[in-house]
Amino acid sequence: QSALTQPASVSGSPGQSITISCTGTSSDVGSYNLVSWYQQHPGKAPKLMIYEGSKRPSGVSNRFSGSKSGNTASLTISGLQAEDEADYYCCSYAGSSTLGFGGGTKLTVL
Amino acid sequence: EVQLVESGGGLVQPGRSLRLSCAASGFTFDDYAMHWVRQAPGKGLEWVSGISWNSGSIGYADSVKGRFTISRDNAKNSLYLQMNSLRAEDTALYYCAKDLVVAAILYAFDIWGQGTMVTVSS
Repeated sequence: QSALTQPASVSGSPGQSITISCTGTSSDVGSYNLVSWYQQHPGKAPKLMIYEGSKRPSGVSNRFSGSKSGNTASLTISGLQAEDEADYYCCSYAGSSTLGFGGGTKLTVL
Repeated sequence: EVQLVESGGGLVQPGRSLRLSCAASGFTFDDYAMHWVRQAPGKGLEWVSGISWNSGSIGYADSVKGRFTISRDNAKNSLYLQMNSLRAEDTALYYCAKDLVVAAILYAFDIWGQGTMVTVSS
C-alpha cells in the first residue's frame, strides 16, 4: 500500500479557516469514497472527525468538513480554535481489504 | 461505557513472537469489524490489519503480511494479533480500533483503545 501524501504542517490564526490536503492515487482515494480523517492530540488516541469523505460522526463540530476531488481529499476546519491544534491524519481504503494512512499534518494555531 | 483495552505488549528480541489482545466492552462486539493500527515513537499512524464481524474478511498491510495473524473470539469479546518474526521496525504503540458501522467494514474507526507498546530489541 502506498502512503497518502499530506503537508507536514499548516497553521492559522484563531477564527480563520485552514485546509489540509491528502493526495492519493486512482487506486485508493480516486476509486473509493472511503476516506476518513483523524485528530490526534499529544499522548492521546486518535479521534474520528470525518468518514466516507464528508460525513461527521455524532458529536464532531460542524466546523470540520471533508471533500474530495479526483485523487485528492481535503479536510477544512473553519473558525479555528486553540483546541484544534493537533496532528491530523487522513486514510483511504486501497482495495483488497487494505487501508493506507497519510503521513500526518501538524496544525498550529497561531 | 464503550471501551477497548489492549494488553500483551512488552520488550521482545528480534525474530521472536508476541500475542496482543484487545478486550471489548460496552457494545455488541460481534456486530463490528475490528482493526489494529500502530504508531512508531514520534511517527504517524499505520494500519496493520482488519477483520470483519464474522472473520470472513481479513486484510493485512504489506509490511506485516505473512508474519502477523489477526483473529477474534466473539464469545469472549476479544480481538487478537499474533506477531511472529518480529523486527526492530515493528516497534510501536499498537492500538485496537472499532469500525463505525454494524455488519460492514467502513474502515472508519470510532473507538480506540489506549494502546499497548511493543519494543523489538536485542
